[in-house]
Amino acid sequence: KAGVTQTPRYLIKTRGQQVTLSCSPISGHRSVSWYQQTPGQGLQFLFEYFSETQRNKGNFPGRFSGRQFSNSRSEMNVSTLELGDSALYLCASSLGGTLSGANVLTFGAGSRLTVL
Amino acid sequence: QQPVQSPQAVILREGEDAVINCSSSKALYSVHWYRQKHGEAPVFLMILLKGGEQKGHEKISASFNEKKQQSSLYLTASQLSYSGTYFCGTEGGSTGNQFYFGTGTSLTVIP
Repeated sequence: KAGVTQTPRYLIKTRGQQVTLSCSPISGHRSVSWYQQTPGQGLQFLFEYFSETQRNKGNFPGRFSGRQFSNSRSEMNVSTLELGDSALYLCASSLGGTLSGANVLTFGAGSRLTVL
Repeated sequence: QQPVQSPQAVILREGEDAVINCSSSKALYSVHWYRQKHGEAPVFLMILLKGGEQKGHEKISASFNEKKQQSSLYLTASQLSYSGTYFCGTEGGSTGNQFYFGTGTSLTVIP
């Protein structure tokens, strides 16, 4: 079956601009979560959506937002870009159950954002 | 709530063994392990549930000590294909779908 698809794979923006990243989960997966990966901080959780509702949110400023559509596809948006937003943004999908240990994440290849 | 991994980096020769540790300051109910090769997405290796359960993947196994809030990943007779960055992840958030990942351990296997 098809994996998690993220677009675009690479993009370059300048400070102050905004960016929208897209994620298509594995068919049947209803949970989509987003992570920021940087060399110094590792994988940092941004937010998680399930059935179009944000269930969990990490400790990121309000410039980072997301949404999920009825087909489980998700987008994340970063407004007023800063240099420090340069990172690899990973999307992961899972079944989204609430039983501990029931969720295995399947990651997409990521969108590498460079802010100049 | 980010788990702490050690070591940060390790270099092995083919056939050698390695241990990667992951510890958390909060109670753990499960630990996930992922491997990310350079330029690729992280890939799920295994999940460990409370009870000291050990799981295996190829010649990679892991243990989970819930009392000590620690997990260890054991790589036996390492192969070149084991090179990558290993992350442990713990569940959190209101529904357990918010993962906290360690900062990663870079493993390099050389011939």
